[in-house]
Amino acid sequence: DTAVSQTPKYLVTQMGNDKSIKCEQNLGHDTMYWYKQDSKKFLKIMFSYNNKELIINETVPNRFSPKSPDKAHLNLHINSLELGDSAVYFCASSPPGLASYNEQFFGPGTRLTVL
Amino acid sequence: GESVGLHLPTLSVQEGDNSIINCAYSNSASDYFIWYKQESGKGPQFIIDIRSNMDKRQGQRVTVLLNKTVKHLSLQIAATQPGDSAVYFCAENAFGNEKLTFGTGTRLTIIP
Repeated sequence: DTAVSQTPKYLVTQMGNDKSIKCEQNLGHDTMYWYKQDSKKFLKIMFSYNNKELIINETVPNRFSPKSPDKAHLNLHINSLELGDSAVYFCASSPPGLASYNEQFFGPGTRLTVL
Repeated sequence: GESVGLHLPTLSVQEGDNSIINCAYSNSASDYFIWYKQESGKGPQFIIDIRSNMDKRQGQRVTVLLNKTVKHLSLQIAATQPGDSAVYFCAENAFGNEKLTFGTGTRLTIIP
């Protein structure tokens, strides 16, 4: 199936741990994103990559580090997890062209719970 | 700062009726708008978009209206069905920005 996929779907971990979330898209898109959705459903962009190049880096703690090994993958690594990191993280991608004027395709989300 | 917001956080509509979800934005430079639908446990899904050179656009059972004068956007869903129950987000962008700014979301519940 063509889609944006994320693993894992659920992630429960202790404070202070380091964890990674993986994202892959097989839509042939050039641009990929990470969003954080809090408990009130507010969606906020964290990072955006275009062809493996970082183009958006919002005010995100440097404990969060995205990595794009190729344009089909954008992984998110989080160091020293804190309680406030608990949220649902969404990966998305958009087709070639002016990325911000294109529909974004979202993955199913990863629910991160930090205990 | 600039923001995109919604007037109503929750909306309940009888099945078969029409629903209207509203969105206000404050960036007068915004020229591209999208509506997304997010069902429980899933990622947001594109519904319809509109550019600022239009004031209305129709899809299947959905219509987006844009009033640039008052910076207001609405999503109309006709003949609502149980599957329309979800959280709906508006998002906007202005030329030169690399990102979409999402509104706070409205939860639409269809009553059978």
